Amino acid sequence: GAVVSQHPSWVICKSGTSVKIECRSLDFQATTMFWYRQFPKQSLMLMATSNEGSKATYEQGVEKDKFLINHASLTLSTLTVTSAHPEDSSFYICSARGQLTNYGYTFGSGTRLTVV
Amino acid sequence: KQEVTQIPAALSVPEGENLVLNCSFTDSAIYNLQWFRQDPGKGLTSLLLIQSSQREQTSGRLNASLDKSSGRSTLYIAASQPGDSATYLCAVNEAGTALIFGKGTTLSVSS
Repeated sequence: GAVVSQHPSWVICKSGTSVKIECRSLDFQATTMFWYRQFPKQSLMLMATSNEGSKATYEQGVEKDKFLINHASLTLSTLTVTSAHPEDSSFYICSARGQLTNYGYTFGSGTRLTVV
Repeated sequence: KQEVTQIPAALSVPEGENLVLNCSFTDSAIYNLQWFRQDPGKGLTSLLLIQSSQREQTSGRLNASLDKSSGRSTLYIAASQPGDSATYLCAVNEAGTALIFGKGTTLSVSS
């Protein structure tokens, strides 16, 4: 079945630094990637949608200059949290949709980001 | 804007009970509805996917139904086990768009 590899699974960084999270589709071409954020005991909130080769579309209230999304290839998308602050601490998870995938989306395993 | 609501927010049952989790959505023009399981601090495990043309899907002790016109879905878990303890998330999407999630039902099954 379709697999999305997400790493790192957890990361601790200092305030002001940047963190990159990668999602790779291992056995299919991910034409669209969705990035979500989940705060403790909350549901998944969509941050942005990216299509391969195009600029990402961000949801209202999500700062595009802070959360940089790159989807330069059909198998790799990255989310970079720039100048991270403690309030950015959260669980980030990606979801991929393939060109021929009409039966739901495949999720990465998530990244726990802690900013200290 | 699509909104997904799940009831109850939390549920505690003894082992062996059959239970029903509820999900409702405001816009019936959905393409798929999916049920996921999430263990604490972990990612998502897809349980069942129901396409808009379908009424239900079954996998083992799990059965999910979809009433698109009324904007409702139920997840039925038969003979619950302690290993079923987790948060169950319901999500819907239109064709090609992102899944919109409910807040989940946190299930605790005691032995």
